[in-house]
Amino acid sequence: LAKTTQPISMDSYEGQEVNITCSHNNIATNDYITWYQQFPSQGPRFIIQGYKTKVTNEVASLFIPADRKSSTLSLPRVSLSDTAVYYCLVGDITNTGNQFYFGTGTSLTVIP
Amino acid sequence: EPEVTQTPSHQVTQMGQEVILRCVPISNHLYFYWYRQILGQKVEFLVSFYNNEISEKSEIFDDQFSVERPDGSNFTLKIRSTKLEDSAMYFCASLDRRTSGVLSTDTQYFGPGTRLTVL
Repeated sequence: LAKTTQPISMDSYEGQEVNITCSHNNIATNDYITWYQQFPSQGPRFIIQGYKTKVTNEVASLFIPADRKSSTLSLPRVSLSDTAVYYCLVGDITNTGNQFYFGTGTSLTVIP
Repeated sequence: EPEVTQTPSHQVTQMGQEVILRCVPISNHLYFYWYRQILGQKVEFLVSFYNNEISEKSEIFDDQFSVERPDGSNFTLKIRSTKLEDSAMYFCASLDRRTSGVLSTDTQYFGPGTRLTVL
């Protein structure tokens, strides 16, 4: 299983773009990269998933370079409500067992 | 929007007692999971379940733990004899898999969690 490494914490001002990078050096061919957001005392919430290049949805973008050994979650124009822990997960979604391992996550604090 | 539900929201029990945590996954999902999160720590995978059997389990999921899908809608986690260190938030998740050609996308939907306190 690919191990992920993320910064423990980040601070950003409201309205700024935030980029959180995750390293996954031993990512396997069948592994996808998924990001989750978690607020205190709540379950993680799916943000975005990708395999390679760039994926964009209504809340975020995910950039994955050609070697796939890292990925960057980009949150445009963050607000105070984006203060949360962000987890990068790498998993083989072709495997029905699908062990998903959460790392320590990145605690993002948005400052007014 | 459909959601995963969990009951109870908070369970307090004495050490050595059995507890059953209940989850109702999203109805058309086929893959189910239990995770736990000790206060201030990361989310830890416990077990995955597919086609009425365990697919994978972590080292945490020892003989004290069991899972069941008794009636096609509920998904339960039983802890036979609780220990103090079992105190944590327990999250249930179900997974929506969508395949388009050779590509698949997986989205896990998490429930709100059950806070288990073992005294």
